[in-house]
Amino acid sequence: GENVEQHPSTLSVQEGDSAVIKCTYSDSASNYFPWYKQELGKGPQLIIDIRSNVGEKKDQRIAVTLNKTAKHFSLHITETQPEDSAVYFCAAKKGNSGGSNYKLTFGKGTLLTVNP
Amino acid sequence: GAVVSQHPSRVICKSGTSVKIECRSLDFQATTMFWYRQFPKQSLMLMATSNEGSKATYEQGVEKDKFLINHASLTLSTLTVTSAHPEDSSFYICSTMAGGLTDTQYFGPGTRLTVL
Repeated sequence: GENVEQHPSTLSVQEGDSAVIKCTYSDSASNYFPWYKQELGKGPQLIIDIRSNVGEKKDQRIAVTLNKTAKHFSLHITETQPEDSAVYFCAAKKGNSGGSNYKLTFGKGTLLTVNP
Repeated sequence: GAVVSQHPSRVICKSGTSVKIECRSLDFQATTMFWYRQFPKQSLMLMATSNEGSKATYEQGVEKDKFLINHASLTLSTLTVTSAHPEDSSFYICSTMAGGLTDTQYFGPGTRLTVL
């Protein structure tokens, strides 16, 4: 099955700096890669996603890049703010047909701390 | 994004009792819902996939007789933890597919279960 590795497990940055979180996946058939932000005691919130037909996607201060050849994708947060502090999870999935293809495989998460 | 609600947000129960957690898709019909469990400082672990009108599909190692799932309507899925024990204490989170051909998956706010 799919295996998703996420690094680093913890990341501490100063407010205003950029933060980068990287993930690798094992199954070349995976074609959908979402990123979730989880605050303490809350459910994960989808912040951005990318599909395998594009190499980069940006939404304000957040961007995701995908390298299908190398099977890795990254989350980039610019101009970080204290409210960006949370656990971030990457995930990968094969597609939207039936059966097991619906399953998201998650990385182990990155605790991001933005220091004021 | 889609709105998913869970009830209750937290529950404390005595060992041996059963607890029911509700997951509602508030703004679209969800033929597929997912139930996850998350232990402290760990990633999300998929327990089962809930399909409207049919039996749920459980992941390997998850006891179907202990974690009863009912998906009787397109907007409601329930997870019942039967004869709960302290080791069942965890954060339970449901998720829904956005519907149609999209892969997008949205999560509820989670339910904190504490078994004494």
